[in-house]
Amino acid sequence: DQQVKQNSPSLSVQEGRISILNCDYTNSMFDYFLWYKKYPAEGPTFLISISSIKDKNEDGRFTVFLNKSAKHLSLHIVPSQPGDSAVYFCAASPGSSNTGKLIFGQGTTLQVKP
Amino acid sequence: EPEVTQTPSHQVTQMGQEVILRCVPISNHLYFYWYRQILGQKVEFLVSFYNNEISEKSEIFDDQFSVERPDGSNFTLKIRSTKLEDSAMYFCASREGTGGYQPQHFGDGTRLSIL
Repeated sequence: DQQVKQNSPSLSVQEGRISILNCDYTNSMFDYFLWYKKYPAEGPTFLISISSIKDKNEDGRFTVFLNKSAKHLSLHIVPSQPGDSAVYFCAASPGSSNTGKLIFGQGTTLQVKP
Repeated sequence: EPEVTQTPSHQVTQMGQEVILRCVPISNHLYFYWYRQILGQKVEFLVSFYNNEISEKSEIFDDQFSVERPDGSNFTLKIRSTKLEDSAMYFCASREGTGGYQPQHFGDGTRLSIL
């Protein structure tokens, strides 16, 4: 099942710089996209979401961009902080599901260096 | 902030034995979910539960699996006869389900090890 893909397993950035995490999807019927952050030994923590009818959503240091024609979304973190070091999951909710189940990407491990 | 809590954090069980994983969702949430993550793989949807019944399940959720909300607070996942391939992290999640789109909130998971 490759409906949601995160092609970069890892990313390393310097503190204070921008982190850009990418996600591609194949199902044009997804109606919501979400980003979760996960620390070791903890569950995924919700960060930010975007509706399929929007192209940008911003919350503090986090901005998600959606490009529907390219079936691509990205998460921008500005400025990056060492505490942002974690695994980031992209997830999508199929519009055909009335329960809001999520389909996850493989995750990208972000390391922010001081 | 309200949290989803899961117990135990780690469960070790012999193959063929029954196991029950427990979750306490956030109190005003209406939708409940179980996901699993096999080591090195994606987080996968297992089942969703709403209004005291299963609302959707994946192909993984076969007859060996069942869910129950035995009272007003607990939500359990039972595996009747465990197999080696059931070894994984199991995450419970809940969602408010009213007033527009609400994200799912996850517990810290139960690591299930089948010997």
